[in-house]
Amino acid sequence: DIQLTQSPPFLSASVGDRVTITCRASQGISSYLAWYQQKPGKAPKLLIYAASTLQSGVPSRFSGSGSGTEFTLTISSLQPEDFATYYCQHFNSYPYNFGQGTKLQIK
Amino acid sequence: QVQLQESGPGLVKPSETLSLTCTVSGGSISNFYWSWVRQPPGGGLEWIGYIYETGSSNYNPSLKSRVTMSVDTSKNQFSLRLNSVTAADTAVYYCARETTFSIDSWGQGTLVIVSS
Repeated sequence: DIQLTQSPPFLSASVGDRVTITCRASQGISSYLAWYQQKPGKAPKLLIYAASTLQSGVPSRFSGSGSGTEFTLTISSLQPEDFATYYCQHFNSYPYNFGQGTKLQIK
Repeated sequence: QVQLQESGPGLVKPSETLSLTCTVSGGSISNFYWSWVRQPPGGGLEWIGYIYETGSSNYNPSLKSRVTMSVDTSKNQFSLRLNSVTAADTAVYYCARETTFSIDSWGQGTLVIVSS
């Protein structure tokens, strides 16, 4: 199985900050990576797929990059609605594991 | 816009079988992979597996011996069965649609508690 390790697990930031979350794969996964945002009591929401493609309707302040084993999700200027938990998931081979999540909190 | 809705018992006894159904509306079940993902209270996301319209499936090895998925294209539904459940199977269960290397649509999730 391919394991995904997200860092940091917790992140405190302020509105307007630029933040970056990292997802590292235990082996190469090309660009077969997606990022999701989850708010309490809600289903995850797709933000980015194929490592860097923005899902339709997602604000352009979200961006993804990387390939192989290291990936990043960047939020260029945090908005109040961005405080949530973020997960990465690979689609390279079964099982399609998720990272353990990064909780983004208000500083 | 496709919508997914999980249904099934919210309480299952230990050693029994958890059964959930997902109804797909606003789109056809054909030509997509349909998945189940679960999330224990306060925990992270776990991919359970997928099923295709043909019945082809793939399950997470961690659950493979206990999981069965099925699809009913005539009703635009797919289902999950997880047998021999324990308290560790208590979670919110999501049904979802897989597409281009992502899961782009999710149900709202249903909490299943395993308890006697």
